[in-house]
Amino acid sequence: EIVLTQSPGTLSLSPGESAALSCRASQSVRSNFLAWYQQKPGQAPRLLIYGASSRATGIPDRFSGSGSGTDFTLTISRLEPEDFAVYYCQQYGSSPFTFGPGTKVDIK
Amino acid sequence: EVQLVESGGGLVQPGRSLRLSCAASGFSFDDYAMHWVRRAPGKGLEWVSGISWNSGYIMYASSVKGRFTISRDNAENSLYLEMNSLRAEDTALYYCARGRGYFDSFDSWGQGTLVTVSS
Repeated sequence: EIVLTQSPGTLSLSPGESAALSCRASQSVRSNFLAWYQQKPGQAPRLLIYGASSRATGIPDRFSGSGSGTDFTLTISRLEPEDFAVYYCQQYGSSPFTFGPGTKVDIK
Repeated sequence: EVQLVESGGGLVQPGRSLRLSCAASGFSFDDYAMHWVRRAPGKGLEWVSGISWNSGYIMYASSVKGRFTISRDNAENSLYLEMNSLRAEDTALYYCARGRGYFDSFDSWGQGTLVTVSS
């Protein structure tokens, strides 16, 4: 089973700042099948990035994904008020699929 | 519009069973893999089980293997999760989610159904 580690656990930032969220895998993720999701309180998760770097439909271009192998990053440039949420990475290259523990981005 | 609506959650005693359902609409259900993902109180997301479009490929998380059974009825556009021998640690909000292929990200999610295992 691939274990995903996310850092930091919490990121306190102000609107307009940029955020860099890290996701590290315990072994290489097949074909970079790595996704990022956003979840707000009381809402279902929303797909942001798939294939490590491809934006999902309707996702603003301030969200970008990068990385390969075992190290991946989600970058949010110019944080908007609606971006304060919990972000999860997920690998779907091998079963069982696994999620990271999440990074909470909150308002400073 | 893609819609996934879960149902069947509730309060159940340890050791008992429960069956969750997910009704899909707004897309060709039999073109997609489907998954169950849960979130326990105060915890993160945990993938539970997945099933390919034709039920030919089914996998489970180790935490539920042997106790949970995933199935689908493409004629009814429905996904199911039969949960047996429930434990307190199965208490969670259960989401169904859609994947374009089995090994693919989850591009649509339901709002979830709450399962509470307690005596």
